Amino acid sequence: EPEVTQTPSHQVTQMGQEVILRCVPISNHLYFYWYRQILGQKVEFLVSFYNNEISEKSEIFDDQFSVERPDGSNFTLKIRSTKLEDSAMYFCASSWTLLTDTQYFGPGTRLTVL
Amino acid sequence: SQELEQSPQSLIVQEGKNLTINCTSSKTLYGLYWYKQKYGEGLIFLMMLQKGGEEKSHEKITAKLDEKKQQSSLHITASQPSHAGTYLCGADMRIYNQGGKLIFGQGTELSVKP
Repeated sequence: EPEVTQTPSHQVTQMGQEVILRCVPISNHLYFYWYRQILGQKVEFLVSFYNNEISEKSEIFDDQFSVERPDGSNFTLKIRSTKLEDSAMYFCASSWTLLTDTQYFGPGTRLTVL
Repeated sequence: SQELEQSPQSLIVQEGKNLTINCTSSKTLYGLYWYKQKYGEGLIFLMMLQKGGEEKSHEKITAKLDEKKQQSSLHITASQPSHAGTYLCGADMRIYNQGGKLIFGQGTELSVKP
């Protein structure tokens, strides 16, 4: 069964460093998303992406964040200068269409900022 | 803004017992998703409901959406240790022109005692 994959599973970085989180969405899906979950808190929407453009972004998704689909399979989330409060589990999701379609989530990348 | 409240926040049941988890929305739901999350892992899609009064079942799990489309329940029959985890309801924000964004409840943590 097709699934969303994410790498790495765990990333440890120093505050101020750049990190890139990688995702491979399900192959025929067209819509891509990033969410995050700070330990003990709700899963929060960060950004949605379609046709090489951001469709929607939350207040959390500030200038420190960027997303890219560098090739036909990968979808990345970059944090330019990490802060302690960026420590969280980051989930990638994908769906085939925007309307009435299920978002399938990857296993997540646990980001720890020291 | 849209809010989803889940109840209870946590639940401990004896194996074989039935249980119900509720999800209440502050606004009419366009689509309501149920996901299961094991600690430190990704979200596993369970079911999606869209129509008022709709009910779906998969194995021993049944989800319902009320007629007013503001409340959903997830019912597990004859619980097993494999049902343990955190159950999340997620609301589809597309009707509010918020490009594919899902917002989530805080989760219900289920433990099943053998």
